Amino acid sequence: EVQLVESGGGLVKPGGSLRLSCAASGFTFSSYSMNWVRQAPGKGLEWVSSISSSSSYIYYADSVKGRFTISRDNAKNSLYLQMNSLRAEDTAVYYCARGEFGEISPPHYWGQGTLVTVSS
Amino acid sequence: QSVLTQPPSASGTPGQRVTISCSGSSSNIGSNFVYWYQQLPGTAPKLLINRSNQRPSGVPDRFSGSKSGTSASLAISGLRSEDEADYYCAAWDDSLSGYVFGTGTKVTVI
Repeated sequence: EVQLVESGGGLVKPGGSLRLSCAASGFTFSSYSMNWVRQAPGKGLEWVSSISSSSSYIYYADSVKGRFTISRDNAKNSLYLQMNSLRAEDTAVYYCARGEFGEISPPHYWGQGTLVTVSS
Repeated sequence: QSVLTQPPSASGTPGQRVTISCSGSSSNIGSNFVYWYQQLPGTAPKLLINRSNQRPSGVPDRFSGSKSGTSASLAISGLRSEDEADYYCAAWDDSLSGYVFGTGTKVTVI
């Protein structure tokens, strides 16, 4: 069974940093693309970033480009999102989501999410 | 701001057919697959339709997807109370080099 467990969320001040982690199990992590998607309270879904299975391809939403960095450690079956220069509008539940086999693909399986709150 | 436009709400009685539209452009729906997600209250989204019209394993055949030009649709036939949820479309956008989600549609079973 595919399992994705996010961690690292919490309360951070504007301008601060946070690193989200996603522990994957139940599948061969190194073979699948991964994504981060967020959802502000009471709002819709917003794609944040995607990374291919070998990290060869990485894409970001314009809203986070230059501030967020996606990475993965296939040896540890883990996905990360380093978030710097955080703003109030970054407040959201952040979902880790697995794509399809190989290159960039949209979310197929989702974790339960971790809440990030940016507030002074 | 979402690039894909959906109606904010849709409703029907049990057993009815409900259709949700998703309007995009040539850089997203017009040239790429469309994906549909169901988000039940308080839960993470779930993939409902893959590659415009494919149902992942476990998704009832009451759900179907289609695409024509720069628009796509999700149809729910034989509406059931457990279908009350938010539904989102998504597609890759060649101009943005990223995925875009629809504005979301809340389905209510009357």
